[in-house]
Amino acid sequence: KAGVTQTPRYLIKTRGQQVTLSCSPISGHRSVSWYQQTPGQGLQFLFEYFSETQRNKGNFPGRFSGRQFSNSRSEMNVSTLELGDSALYLCASSQQGAIDTQYFGPGTRLTVL
Amino acid sequence: KQEVTQIPAALSVPEGENLVLNCSFTDSAIYNLQWFRQDPGKGLTSLLLIQSSQREQTSGRLNASLDKSSGRSTLYIAASQPGDSATYLCAVRDPMNRDDKIIFGKGTRLHILP
Repeated sequence: KAGVTQTPRYLIKTRGQQVTLSCSPISGHRSVSWYQQTPGQGLQFLFEYFSETQRNKGNFPGRFSGRQFSNSRSEMNVSTLELGDSALYLCASSQQGAIDTQYFGPGTRLTVL
Repeated sequence: KQEVTQIPAALSVPEGENLVLNCSFTDSAIYNLQWFRQDPGKGLTSLLLIQSSQREQTSGRLNASLDKSSGRSTLYIAASQPGDSATYLCAVRDPMNRDDKIIFGKGTRLHILP
């Protein structure tokens, strides 16, 4: 089975712009979670989608949003980018979510100038 | 509020030695605990998942234990190899947190000396 894929792998944006990141889960997985990883804060949970519905949400501002499509692929959008949004954004998929092993993609490295 | 702590932040060990990585959490009411490794600039690789009803899980040279009552988990690596060098993260799934989030520790950066 193919693993979790994320596109693009690297992205450079300027303050005020918006960005959309994409995640394709492992085939058959219905849960997709997104995380932000920074040197200072470590890994922080953004949100989780299951069968096209947002099931959980972390403590991030409304500029961070996401969605999931019927084929379980997910997108994450960040509007009005700030310098502090520079991070590695990781997505993970699992079959059911809470009780299952999470499988991570390679991440998207976002740099905001 | 659930907090996950990993001490030490970094560890260097000669090749061939057995070692233990520690993870502690403040609220014992967890769904499960998962150990991951992360290589520089890469995503996370799942190593072991322990459900709340389990005490340990084993995979090859790795053994993870869970003691919910004391809020601790350990990852034991036997006969360490240079390829084991990576950052190891533990994460708990916390049902008591109403948002049912997964909460990560900051990780232990492991360096195996050849």
